[in-house]
Amino acid sequence: DAGVTQSPTHLIKTRGQHVTLRCSPISGHKSVSWYQQVLGQGPQFIFQYYEKEERGRGNFPDRFSARQFPNYSSELNVNALLLGDSALYLCASSAIVGNQPQHFGDGTRLSIL
Amino acid sequence: QQPVQSPQAVILREGEDAVINCSSSKALYSVHWYRQKHGEAPVFLMILLKGGEQKGHDKISASFNEKKQQSSLYLTASQLSYSGTYFCGTEIDKTSYDKVIFGPGTSLSVIP
Repeated sequence: DAGVTQSPTHLIKTRGQHVTLRCSPISGHKSVSWYQQVLGQGPQFIFQYYEKEERGRGNFPDRFSARQFPNYSSELNVNALLLGDSALYLCASSAIVGNQPQHFGDGTRLSIL
Repeated sequence: QQPVQSPQAVILREGEDAVINCSSSKALYSVHWYRQKHGEAPVFLMILLKGGEQKGHDKISASFNEKKQQSSLYLTASQLSYSGTYFCGTEIDKTSYDKVIFGPGTSLSVIP
């Protein structure tokens, strides 16, 4: 079975632009979470979606938004990019919600110039 | 509130043992442990639930003291493949909807 897939793998943007990152969960998984990982730090929770509804939101500005589609894939959108948004963006899926193993994709490396 | 991990970094020779600690200022329902190798995604190792027992597989095990809000990861007879950064992740209740809060990580290097 395919694992969590994310696209694109790398992205270079300039300040002020917007970006859309995509994630396909493991087949049968209904929960998708997004994390931001800055070099040398642990992943920081951004959003969690379950059954197409936002169930959790981390301490990120409104420039960050996400959605989940009927096939459980998900998009993370970031507007008005700042230099500080440069990071590895990880998507994780789990079968159900609540205290479940998180299965991570390889991430999207976003660089802001 | 981000959990605290100690030590920040550790270097081991093959065959040596290590303990990585994770503590939180909040009451916890579960603790996750993940390992991330350089340039790769974090990989799930194990999850410990409130009221659960110590878990382990192969030579890696973990404990969870819910009264002290602490968890420890034990690596015995370390192998080169154990190298990487270990993260603990915490959930504060049963319905936290996978809002896993990760610690800053512990870098583990195993040398021959």
